Amino acid sequence: KAGVTQTPRYLIKTRGQQVTLSCSPISGHRSVSWYQQTPGQGLQFLFEYFSETQRNKGNFPGRFSGRQFSNSRSEMNVSTLELGDSALYLCASSSSPAQGAGVYGYTFGSGTRLTVV
Amino acid sequence: GQQLNQSPQSMFIQEGEDVSMNCTSSSIFNTWLWYKQDPGEGPVLLIALYKAGELTSNGRLTAQFGITRKDSFLNISASIPSDVGIYFCAGQLNAGKSTFGDGTTLTVKP
Repeated sequence: KAGVTQTPRYLIKTRGQQVTLSCSPISGHRSVSWYQQTPGQGLQFLFEYFSETQRNKGNFPGRFSGRQFSNSRSEMNVSTLELGDSALYLCASSSSPAQGAGVYGYTFGSGTRLTVV
Repeated sequence: GQQLNQSPQSMFIQEGEDVSMNCTSSSIFNTWLWYKQDPGEGPVLLIALYKAGELTSNGRLTAQFGITRKDSFLNISASIPSDVGIYFCAGQLNAGKSTFGDGTTLTVKP
């Protein structure tokens, strides 16, 4: 089955602009998570959506937002871009159920590399 | 919040050598995961550990979930050039959110 698809792969934006990144999860996966990866900070959790609802949230400012559609596709939006937002943004999908802990494999996409100039 | 300390930060080894890396946390996790990331790609899950004390193998990879639930290690035996990459540990307390270590960059010299 098709993997996690992220678009676009590369993006260059100017400070102050906003950007929307897209993620199509593996078919049947209802959980979609977003991570920011930078050389200095590693992989930082942004948020997770399950069935169109934000279920978990990391410690990022309100400029970072997301949503999930009824077909489980997810978008992430960053408003008023700053130079420090330059990073690889990764999306991961999982077959995690609605409730309960446990290991449900997360499959990552190849990421969107955002450069803010 | 929860933080993971992953070590070593980088390793330079000769092909055929064994490799060991580990992660420690100040708080417990219910699940430990190990990922490998190649340049330009997202992380790929290598091994998942479900309960304290568990030892799991996947080919040349072996990982263990520490008995205290605050640590995990990954061993790679008989390394080969394609083992090159960045290895990440990740802890999960609840479904939907993973906390990642800073990664171990592995270089294998032929």
